[in-house]
Amino acid sequence: AQKITQTQPGMFVQEKEAVTLDCTYDTSDQSYGLFWYKQPSSGEMIFLIYQGSYDEQNATEGRYSLNFQKARKSANLVISASQLGDSAMYFCAMIRPIQGAQKLVFGQGTRLTINP
Amino acid sequence: DTAVSQTPKYLVTQMGNDKSIKCEQNLGHDTMYWYKQDSKKFLKIMFSYNNKELIINETVPNRFSPKSPDKAHLNLHINSLELGDSAVYFCASSRRENTGELFFGEGSRLTVL
Repeated sequence: AQKITQTQPGMFVQEKEAVTLDCTYDTSDQSYGLFWYKQPSSGEMIFLIYQGSYDEQNATEGRYSLNFQKARKSANLVISASQLGDSAMYFCAMIRPIQGAQKLVFGQGTRLTINP
Repeated sequence: DTAVSQTPKYLVTQMGNDKSIKCEQNLGHDTMYWYKQDSKKFLKIMFSYNNKELIINETVPNRFSPKSPDKAHLNLHINSLELGDSAVYFCASSRRENTGELFFGEGSRLTVL
């Protein structure tokens, strides 16, 4: 069975600092995908970044980068130059394709607070 | 235009009632989902439909019945509501191909009193 683990329930970071949110995963699948989603206090789920298991390079999207270490089964999210608006819940997720659908398994989430 | 829209956004009801949450997507996606987020913020998949066919059916009480009249709509009906059903329910959609991203609706917060 697939499992996503986020070991940091909460993190506090000073504005403009870089922050790393940890995510480890467990799967027996050879092909899988890893996501990070952001959930601000308003509640919506916002896609941030995606990494395929066969992608050789780490994914980057603006200030977001995914530190993918396949042998360690980790997919940490790095946010550079953090901003006050980055304060939110962050979810790591693994995707497993099932007959045309894509089952997302989520971690417990990390609440990130950016201090001014 | 909202890509994935859910109604209602807030729903407060008494135990034992029956209620429905509607979801529509205008992205042309083939696959739609219902996820439940509990009070501890944990998100778990409930159902998935691909082109009106049920693909994923997790261990969910049979009081929950999804209905997909067409591939752009996936409604969630809940019978005999219980206190533990209080949660935020998210609808999502994705393309059929394994490209990854799920597009989520804004969530529907259900409170059972």
